[in-house]
Order: sequence, then C-alpha cells, then structure tokens
Amino acid sequence: SAVISQKPSRDICQRGTSLTIQCQVDSQVTMMFWYRQQPGQSLTLIATANQGSEATYESGFVIDKFPISRPNLTFSTLTVSNMSPEDSSIYLCSGTRDTQYFGPGTRLTVL
Amino acid sequence: QKEVEQDPGPLSVPEGAIVSLNCTYSNSAFQYFMWYRQYSRKGPELLMYTYSSGNKEDGRFTAQVDKSSKYISLFIRDSQPSDSATYLCAMTDPQSGGSYIPTFGRGTSLIVHP
Repeated sequence: SAVISQKPSRDICQRGTSLTIQCQVDSQVTMMFWYRQQPGQSLTLIATANQGSEATYESGFVIDKFPISRPNLTFSTLTVSNMSPEDSSIYLCSGTRDTQYFGPGTRLTVL
Repeated sequence: QKEVEQDPGPLSVPEGAIVSLNCTYSNSAFQYFMWYRQYSRKGPELLMYTYSSGNKEDGRFTAQVDKSSKYISLFIRDSQPSDSATYLCAMTDPQSGGSYIPTFGRGTSLIVHP
C-alpha cells in the first residue's frame, strides 16, 4: 500500500489570500490527483497532477485558481488562490498504483 | 440526475445489526465498483472492489453488484461501533480514456451504537 501525507492538516485563512497544500507519497505512484470534499457532497475531482507538465483540470476548475505542481513521482502541491469563503472545504490528495490511495485531507476554512 | 446516487444518511443501527448500504447509477458503462470507508478527519480507504456483476465477500463485508438494475450494495454483518464511518461507493468505466478516475457517490454516514 502507499502512504500519503498532506501538509497542513488544517488552516484558517483570510479572504483574498492563497494557501499551498503539499502532498507526499512514500513510494512511486502512477497518477496523482487532487479532490475537493464539501460537507454532504461527493468527492469532486479538481485535476490530475502530471509529472513535469501542466495539470489536467476538470470542468469548473482552472489553473489560475488552483495551480498545481508535480515535480517528481512522489510529490505534488495544490495552491488555492485568491480565496473566498466558498473555497472552504477539505482538499484531498490521491495517488494510484495497484489501487487508489488518499491522503488524510487538508481542512480549509476561509473567513 | 447525478451519475451516482447515494443516500447520505445518517444511518444509525445497534451493535450486531446487519447493515445494508446502497448506490444506484445511470452509466451502464461502469464495470468496476468500489466501496471506500472514511473515518472522521481521515481520507477514504478502499474497503472492497468488484468487477461486473455478482457478490464478493471479505470477512463481515459483502459487496453485491446488480448491473441489470444499476444497483450496488455493501452489507456489513455483526456491525461494530468501530464500523462507524462514512461509506462511499465509487465506480469506473474502463473505456473512459484509460485512466483510473472513479465517480464517487456522496457517501452514507453510518453510526453503530453499543
């Protein structure tokens, strides 16, 4: 199995600021993803993090708002830019190898 | 209509009860069906995985897929308080771009009380 860690585990941010979330996998994974999970809602895929190239974004998510980096096979970052209260959510990093693994999530509150 | 429908609950049962969790879906191309368990303040973890129709058993857990009805179930026998968590169904279409990107249900919150 793969172990995925995320930093920070939670944060409270002011409107208009940006937060970068880090995701580290303990071993190589084929693909890495970023999800958003809002209370009572299903996991929503934000983007696929591609190693060494631009991420592939799902409908409704754009690079200017959620820039993503993946410099190597085991590390990725997601930035939530120019935050508003609507961005308050849990952000989950995920990696796939034999199956799909998830990090513990970053709980973001925007005031 | 969402691709995957799942009642969010909460579902509250006494310890020892048989629990039935369900999802319906609309995309007949889904072939792989998964159940994830998510404890509070943790990420989801894969619980069970089935391909196409039929049943799969693992200890106290049984996953059932009925493709004709587009309906999947997870049964938990002899439920324990430690089973209290949110259970998310997920499914994938293997022909969809070749990548492993499941579609998730909203999750059902299960509470097993002593």
